[in-house]
Amino acid sequence: GNSVTQMEGPVTLSEEAFLTINCTYTATGYPSLFWYVQYPGEGLQLLLKATKADDKGSNKGFEATYRKETTSFHLEKGSVQVSDSAVYFCALSSNAGNNRKLIWGLGTSLAVNP
Amino acid sequence: EAGVTQSPTHLIKTRGQQATLRCSPISGHTSVYWYQQALGLGLQFLLWYDEGEERNRGNFPPRFSGRQFPNYSSELNVNALELEDSALYLCASRPNLPGTEAFFGQGTRLTVV
Repeated sequence: GNSVTQMEGPVTLSEEAFLTINCTYTATGYPSLFWYVQYPGEGLQLLLKATKADDKGSNKGFEATYRKETTSFHLEKGSVQVSDSAVYFCALSSNAGNNRKLIWGLGTSLAVNP
Repeated sequence: EAGVTQSPTHLIKTRGQQATLRCSPISGHTSVYWYQQALGLGLQFLLWYDEGEERNRGNFPPRFSGRQFPNYSSELNVNALELEDSALYLCASRPNLPGTEAFFGQGTRLTVV
């Protein structure tokens, strides 16, 4: 079945450091891929998405590219801020027929120190 | 446009009682998902409803149940509450279109004492 594997946290960085959070997936066909962010005490918010191979999603300085050849969707940001401290979730959704179940990674906690 | 709304925001129950959590999806969204998020842990999938029917169920005991109403709002019921049911319960809605993302509510914090 479909699955998402996300790098374990916690990740601790200093402000302005480069961020990479790895996400790989297993799926049949051509799923859609998502990154969500959860700030402390809040629900999840969509950060970015990509719906086909080689698409690059971007938002708030974060980027992720849908790589079908490596089945990956790694999240990157060139210079993190303290306000980026949150939990990040990678997710996929099959687009095949009625199978639109969302599959989630376990989440990666990021702490950015000033 | 109103987002996904969940009620109540906080709920305190004693062990053995029943809890009912409610979710109103974004207008036009037919799918509703329920998740349990225990402190410090990831999302545990509970239930998925679409067009009024249960489409999938996570690995939870039968005392976790729910339903979706004709207006696509949803209820999650937890019977015979146990201490380990204490968690944040998140609801998400999604339109019936491929490639679309889910939108989350702020959650209901359930505390079982």
